[in-house]
Amino acid sequence: DAGITQSPRHKVTETGTPVTLRCHQTENHRYMYWYRQDPGHGLRLIHYSYGVKDTDKGEVSDGYSVSRSKTEDFLLTLESATSSQTSVYFCAITADQNTEAFFGQGTRLTVV
Amino acid sequence: SQQGEEDPQALSIQEGENATMNCSYKTSINNLQWYRQNSGRGLVHLILIRSNEREKHSGRLRVTLDTSKKSSSLLITASRAADTASYFCATLLSGGYQKVTFGTGTKLQVIP
Repeated sequence: DAGITQSPRHKVTETGTPVTLRCHQTENHRYMYWYRQDPGHGLRLIHYSYGVKDTDKGEVSDGYSVSRSKTEDFLLTLESATSSQTSVYFCAITADQNTEAFFGQGTRLTVV
Repeated sequence: SQQGEEDPQALSIQEGENATMNCSYKTSINNLQWYRQNSGRGLVHLILIRSNEREKHSGRLRVTLDTSKKSSSLLITASRAADTASYFCATLLSGGYQKVTFGTGTKLQVIP
């Protein structure tokens, strides 16, 4: 299995609080992604990174920010959590074009 | 709206039958990939087909790609109960940086 871990695996937080999810990889892959998965929507891309300090927005980036200060870590921050951000969040990594993506186990976030 | 749309949304077949899932997408791509997700787990890569390829096989999987119609199909032959899962197509958009976006998924149930 590819070395990719997400933390925490489960989190319950209150509306209005900031939340940070961490994705850590040991594969030295260049590209990292954050997705959210909701029933009826499949996976939707939030943000992605194509190198250290290089990030770009995905389809549903509002309310989220990311940072990548080193190759192995990609952080997703919900600046002020809302109930609509209750979801399962997946991190993925790829080495380059035309290679498969490896996924983390997911983080189940509940905003109450 | 999402780049990819799978059809059908749900499919139920008997063990031993073939299962066919379709994916349509909207913009030019470099490659298209299929992934499987067992309930509550991360996604697992199945097969990748490049934009200049028309058909690809891997074990019981057969993938076709028609770039003129912006569509792909995944065929699982001689299905097994263990194939019960959700299946997603993902596209690497052409141009720009590596942005991999997913469709909404097909939920396959194989009845023993």
